[in-house]
Amino acid sequence: QSVLTQPPSVSGAPGQRVTISCTGSSSSIGAGYEVHWYQHLPGTAPKLLIYGSTNRPSGVPDRFSGSKSGTSASLAISGLQAEDEGDYYCQSYDNSLGVFYVFGTGTKVTVL
Amino acid sequence: QVHLQESGPGLVKPSETLSLTCSVSGSSVTSDYYWGWIRQPPGKGLEWIANVHQRGSTYYNPSLKSRATVSVDSSKNQFSLILSSVTATDTAVYYCARGRTGIVYFDYWGQGSLVTVSS
Repeated sequence: QSVLTQPPSVSGAPGQRVTISCTGSSSSIGAGYEVHWYQHLPGTAPKLLIYGSTNRPSGVPDRFSGSKSGTSASLAISGLQAEDEGDYYCQSYDNSLGVFYVFGTGTKVTVL
Repeated sequence: QVHLQESGPGLVKPSETLSLTCSVSGSSVTSDYYWGWIRQPPGKGLEWIANVHQRGSTYYNPSLKSRATVSVDSSKNQFSLILSSVTATDTAVYYCARGRTGIVYFDYWGQGSLVTVSS
């Protein structure tokens, strides 16, 4: 049921910057709905990283940043660290589905 | 610090009912939040199941609405999910989470509970 498309994987060396895209449509991100990002590290509870497309909750390092434009959004991780390795999901709303929360397909971040 | 913890049987037989409870600490289920359930089948992505608000409002994913029921127990500061007539496709890690109202997203999640549907 994912209507938000993410790349299956991205990778980078420690210290590098990686970006994860989240592509929606005119009924989701393109309709102006906000995008939120979650980090899911192995064996842990998913964690909110970005809300309202660009906002970081308290305690989230400023290495993580979000942006949105048109029908897409992006999550950038700068200064990549080993502990960033895990899965990342975007989430928004789609007014064509009647589903409150639609999640992206997920992206595996690998630190080389 | 907000903490959520799922509990329930790890194994359910096909056609039977799956029942999960989420115990909440650090936040009251009577506060102005949604309390939600999300699942992740093995090797697949996240799927939202349902939300409940302490006012009694419930919201369901249309793909599951006829089988899912969510409720709040304010006396125990818990909320629950019941999923009827399960099949193998309901095998997943089930997460409970606290959802913000207004701009809807989940700000705290539990660690998840693996439920396997098998005879």
